[in-house]
Amino acid sequence: SQTIHQWPATLVQPVGSPLSLECTVEGTSNPNLYWYRQAAGRGLQLLFYSVGIGQISSEVPQNLSASRPQDRQFILSSKKLLLSDSGFYLCAWSVLSPGSSGNTIYFGEGSWLTVV
Amino acid sequence: GQQLNQSPQSMFIQEGEDVSMNCTSSSIFNTWLWYKQDPGEGPVLLIALYKAGELTSNGRLTAQFGITRKDSFLNISASIPSDVGIYFCAGQPRRGSGNTGKLIFGQGTTLQVKP
Repeated sequence: SQTIHQWPATLVQPVGSPLSLECTVEGTSNPNLYWYRQAAGRGLQLLFYSVGIGQISSEVPQNLSASRPQDRQFILSSKKLLLSDSGFYLCAWSVLSPGSSGNTIYFGEGSWLTVV
Repeated sequence: GQQLNQSPQSMFIQEGEDVSMNCTSSSIFNTWLWYKQDPGEGPVLLIALYKAGELTSNGRLTAQFGITRKDSFLNISASIPSDVGIYFCAGQPRRGSGNTGKLIFGQGTTLQVKP
């Protein structure tokens, strides 16, 4: 069965420091991968998605970047964090559903980032 | 951009009551998904719908993909305290998403159950 893991689970970082959140998926190959941010427990905002190694699409202009160095690894980074980067970050993966033109997305456990 | 209207925004019900929530869109969707999120955790997939008119159950949960492909509802029967959480609908538009799997999410329905 497929599993997704992201870490760290919680992170407190000072303004201006770098960030690296990592996500890995097991049990599948060539998944679509996503980074979402959620503020105040509501509203999932898509930040980045990737359909393959080295292929990254950004949904919103921001202080963050993403990379996919391996098929099942997705990394969210920042060189200098801002206070507004605080939030709950979710990694997710999807596969095209059999017999359907739609995808089903599965989420990781989430990472709480507090920028102080 | 495209948006989903999810309602109600919040519900406070008595244990044992049935619950209904829905999502509507101005555009046609290929897929409707329903998630539940507990505090501090990632959303967990409850039900996935892939065909117009499809009605799917998962225990006490039932969801339907609207015939017009522009709406979906989720029903919870005989609610229990552990049903507490935020429920999100999500849909994949028929056009513009390709094989990226990009979803549009509703704003969530917060459910509270009084024992």
